[in-house]
Amino acid sequence: GNSVTQMEGPVTLSEEAFLTINCTYTATGYPSLFWYVQYPGEGLQLLLKATKADDKGSNKGFEATYRKETTSFHLEKGSVQVSDSAVYFCALRPYYAQGAQKLVFGQGTRLTINP
Amino acid sequence: GAVVSQHPSWVICKSGTSVKIECRSLDFQATTMFWYRQFPKQSLMLMATSNEGSKATYEQGVEKDKFLINHASLTLSTLTVTSAHPEDSSFYICSAKDRGTYEQYFGPGTRLTVT
Repeated sequence: GNSVTQMEGPVTLSEEAFLTINCTYTATGYPSLFWYVQYPGEGLQLLLKATKADDKGSNKGFEATYRKETTSFHLEKGSVQVSDSAVYFCALRPYYAQGAQKLVFGQGTRLTINP
Repeated sequence: GAVVSQHPSWVICKSGTSVKIECRSLDFQATTMFWYRQFPKQSLMLMATSNEGSKATYEQGVEKDKFLINHASLTLSTLTVTSAHPEDSSFYICSAKDRGTYEQYFGPGTRLTVT
């Protein structure tokens, strides 16, 4: 089946630190991969995505590379800010030619950045 | 960009009453909408997939008679929690799939508290 595993949180860093949140997946075929961010009390916002192997998604200083050989999509940022404090979800969307194409989410990683 | 709204953003109701939550795609048409439930500090649990003009598809373990879903138009889906109980208290999030791009966009969520 399809599944996503994220590193367990919570993660606490100081401002300007380097961030890595690990994400690995299990899927048949060639899924699309996503990172979503959820700020307190809000819904999910798409942060970045990659649709095929070796693609790099990037947005707001965050990056993640679709690694098929290691089935990974780790999220990185070179210098975090207090405003990056949120919960981050890794997700995959199985490739089906038809159908609802449901997203499969990881368990989420809570990130707190201290000034 | 694509916007999905939810109404209400929060609601408090008494046990035994029913509550309706609306999910609207504001600037695109969505043949498919998804309803999720999120417990505190946990990931999103897909409850059901709603298709315009047809019956919703519920995930295993979700009571379809308790969580009524209607997708009457290409821009509106509703979730009705019938005979609510305190254990139904949760954060409910919808997402809508753009019929043109297939991308999913999430609403801001509705916090339901049953007293």
